[in-house]
Amino acid sequence: GENVEQHPSTLSVQEGDSAVIKCTYSDSASNYFPWYKQELGKGPQLIIDIRSNVGEKKDQRIAVTLNKTAKHFSLHITETQPEDSAVYFCAASLGTGGFKTIFGAGTRLFVKA
Amino acid sequence: DTGVSQNPRHKITKRGQNVTFRCDPISEHNRLYWYRQTLGQGPEFLTYFQNEAQLEKSRLLSDRFSAERPKGSFSTLEIQRTEQGDSAMYLCASSAIAKNIQYFGAGTRLSVL
Repeated sequence: GENVEQHPSTLSVQEGDSAVIKCTYSDSASNYFPWYKQELGKGPQLIIDIRSNVGEKKDQRIAVTLNKTAKHFSLHITETQPEDSAVYFCAASLGTGGFKTIFGAGTRLFVKA
Repeated sequence: DTGVSQNPRHKITKRGQNVTFRCDPISEHNRLYWYRQTLGQGPEFLTYFQNEAQLEKSRLLSDRFSAERPKGSFSTLEIQRTEQGDSAMYLCASSAIAKNIQYFGAGTRLSVL
């Protein structure tokens, strides 16, 4: 069945450094790839997303890249800050026409001040 | 826009009891999703509604689970004869037809003793 694998499970960086989280997906029909940030006691919050018709998208310190051929996508956070510390989830879905979203297992990011 | 609201935030129950959770989506969103999240894992899809119609159900949704969205607005998720394995965070999300961008509530944490 559909599967999304996410690595690493834990990532610790120094404040100001970059953080990269990588995901692979199995369903080649997937065409929408959101990234969520989840803080303790809260639901996941969308931070950036990318659709299959683009290879890269950037929003301030956050960027996402997509390689449809290899079926993998990545989240890049530059100039990390302590408030970036949280659990990050990648996900893949079929977008319009199919709405089941498959999430990765999450990456716990620690940003050390 | 008040966001997705879930009640209660926490529920403690004894094994064998029935529990019901409520989700109020963002008002103009006609799609509503239920997920289950266990510690250290990403959200797992349970079921999805478009307006009042339940269009998809996961294999995870055993016959003890039932979800409704009678008027196409709020939704309820009921678990009958709860088991300890049902202990988890139950998340609700909503989206608009035009975009498959899901906005999550803060979740209901269920503890079955």
